[in-house]
Amino acid sequence: DAKTTQPNSMESNEEEPVHLPCNHSTISGTDYIHWYRQLPSQGPEYVIHGLTSNVNNRMASLAIAEDRKSSTLILHRATLRDAAVYYCIPAYSGAGSYQLTFGKGTKLSVIP
Amino acid sequence: DAMVIQNPRYQVTQFGKPVTLSCSQTLNHNVMYWYQQKSSQAPKLLFHYYDKDFNNEADTPDNFQSRRPNTSFCFLDIRSPGLGDAAMYLCATSTGQSNSPLHFGNGTRLTVT
Repeated sequence: DAKTTQPNSMESNEEEPVHLPCNHSTISGTDYIHWYRQLPSQGPEYVIHGLTSNVNNRMASLAIAEDRKSSTLILHRATLRDAAVYYCIPAYSGAGSYQLTFGKGTKLSVIP
Repeated sequence: DAMVIQNPRYQVTQFGKPVTLSCSQTLNHNVMYWYQQKSSQAPKLLFHYYDKDFNNEADTPDNFQSRRPNTSFCFLDIRSPGLGDAAMYLCATSTGQSNSPLHFGNGTRLTVT
């Protein structure tokens, strides 16, 4: 399954946009790119996913590079509730079903 | 409304005493996953069920077993818990299609004394 590289940590000021990068240079052509976040003491929460085109939803936007070797999660206005660990995960189709293998993620801190 | 429910939220067991964690879902999803998450680490996939088909990760210890008696329920059995098995255990579900998200429960935090 594809390996990912994300910054260990990032900081943002409240109310400002945040761009969280992810490299996934070994991703296969059919793997969707999923993003999840995990707040302290909670299970991971789905944020967004995409295949080739950029995607938007009420939580965030996902910009996918044309060669699909990288993607960027965009939070348009960071709030204190967005402080979490963000995981970028290619959805690997292995035995039985697709699987999500979590990397170390990026810990986002939001400064008031 | 909670769609993936894990009980209990906190579980304490003694070293070597078998323990069972439970997960239920109201989504009618085909796939149920169990992840282990130790402190300050990322979740690690232990195994998953696609309907009744069980899929074990290669490095999951034999001490960990799972049962899925029906679509809605899945159990994680730890036959002889060691101190190193103390962790958050996360259950998740999906339709099985890679373009659909995983839905996670809030986890069961296991303490081994």
